[in-house]
Amino acid sequence: QVQLVQSGAEVKKPGASVKVSCKASGYTFTRYYIHWVRQVPGQGLEWMSIINPSGGSPSFAQKFQGRVTMTRDTSTSTVYMELSSLKSDDTAMYYCARLQETWLAFDYWGQGTLVTVSS
Amino acid sequence: EIVLTQSPGTLSLSPGERATLSCRASQSVSSTYLAWYQQKPGRAPRLLIYGASSRATGIPDRFSGSGSGTDFTLTISRLEPEDFAVYYCQQCATSPLTFGGGTKVEIK
Repeated sequence: QVQLVQSGAEVKKPGASVKVSCKASGYTFTRYYIHWVRQVPGQGLEWMSIINPSGGSPSFAQKFQGRVTMTRDTSTSTVYMELSSLKSDDTAMYYCARLQETWLAFDYWGQGTLVTVSS
Repeated sequence: EIVLTQSPGTLSLSPGERATLSCRASQSVSSTYLAWYQQKPGRAPRLLIYGASSRATGIPDRFSGSGSGTDFTLTISRLEPEDFAVYYCQQCATSPLTFGGGTKVEIK
């Protein structure tokens, strides 16, 4: 069965970086784009970025340009999202999600990774 | 950026009642690119509807979506206890992808 399994919760200090992983299984990794969506506690969903596991340049929401780095490892079917220069308002749950290419919607989601930024 | 405005913010209903949730876009969105998600506390969102009106795999037929252009609707025909949650619309027609602010369906 399709699964996206994310790395565990992180606590970081302001100014630090965090790297979150999303390991895919149960399908051909290179066939589906992976997106990252975050959710500040008690608030709504915010799209961050997209990566094509087959290759090519990732794309980002403008507010994250310059702070987000997306990489992938096809040997382990894993996508990584690194967010730098962390601020307290980056405290959020970070989700990876698979874009179903025919439905043009996110059909599978990771379980989420809570990143807490605190001094 | 396409802004999606959901209303109402909170809907207080009883089990068995009908829920009608609205999603209005700041500019026209092809229905192909409009989806609805359900989110329960502590859980990742779950896809309900894609292409504005098609149910995702395993979604009960009490959930239906409709609309076009700038106005879209999610209807839950008869609320079951497990349907009390937050619902989000989302567009992927243009970048950045955007979500509505959500509608919370709570037990009255």
